[in-house]
Amino acid sequence: GAVVSQHPSRVICKSGTSVKIECRSLDFQATTMFWYRQFPKQSLMLMATSNEGSKATYEQGVEKDKFLINHASLTLSTLTVTSAHPEDSSFYICSAFVPGQGAGETQYFGPGTRLLVL
Amino acid sequence: GQNIDQPTEMTATEGAIVQINCTYQTSGFNGLFWYQQHAGEAPTFLSYNVLDGLEEKGRFSSFLSRSKGYSYLLLKELQMKDSASYLCAVMDSNYQLIWGAGTKLIIKP
Repeated sequence: GAVVSQHPSRVICKSGTSVKIECRSLDFQATTMFWYRQFPKQSLMLMATSNEGSKATYEQGVEKDKFLINHASLTLSTLTVTSAHPEDSSFYICSAFVPGQGAGETQYFGPGTRLLVL
Repeated sequence: GQNIDQPTEMTATEGAIVQINCTYQTSGFNGLFWYQQHAGEAPTFLSYNVLDGLEEKGRFSSFLSRSKGYSYLLLKELQMKDSASYLCAVMDSNYQLIWGAGTKLIIKP
């Protein structure tokens, strides 16, 4: 099946630093990727939709200047958490729809990145 | 507003059958998804329903009734490894996924 990878899987950083998370589609081209955040015992929260070659679309309440998204190619999207603070500690997950899956397009998730800001 | 409702937690016995319900109210409908998520991991795709009826895939089946805004995920012959959270998600008219909070399924020996 389709594979989406994320790097790093886990990161610990000091407050005030920036962290970059990469999301790659390994065996298909993804014009659109999605970035989610999930706090413990809560559901996935869509942060933004990353579009190849254009600006990302952010959900209400998500600061676009804090969460920088770049979708430079059809296989790579990056999320940069700028000036991270402890409240940004969370599980960040990217995903992409795989077109032409027959009975409905399915969304495949990366393995997620656990961010801990000290 | 849009919302997805599913039970917070369910408990079942190994070898038994469990049904996890999901009701939804969304602006438009382009399909309903079920995902499995083990603790600390990303969700993995289980099923997709866009037409009414039952879709069977091995030990897992998913049912949809669009008129009732209702779906269920049926898990048979439960195994300990089925202990996980099960997320219901609906794709609305804008092709955005609306996520339920997930149902934590606990399997007991």
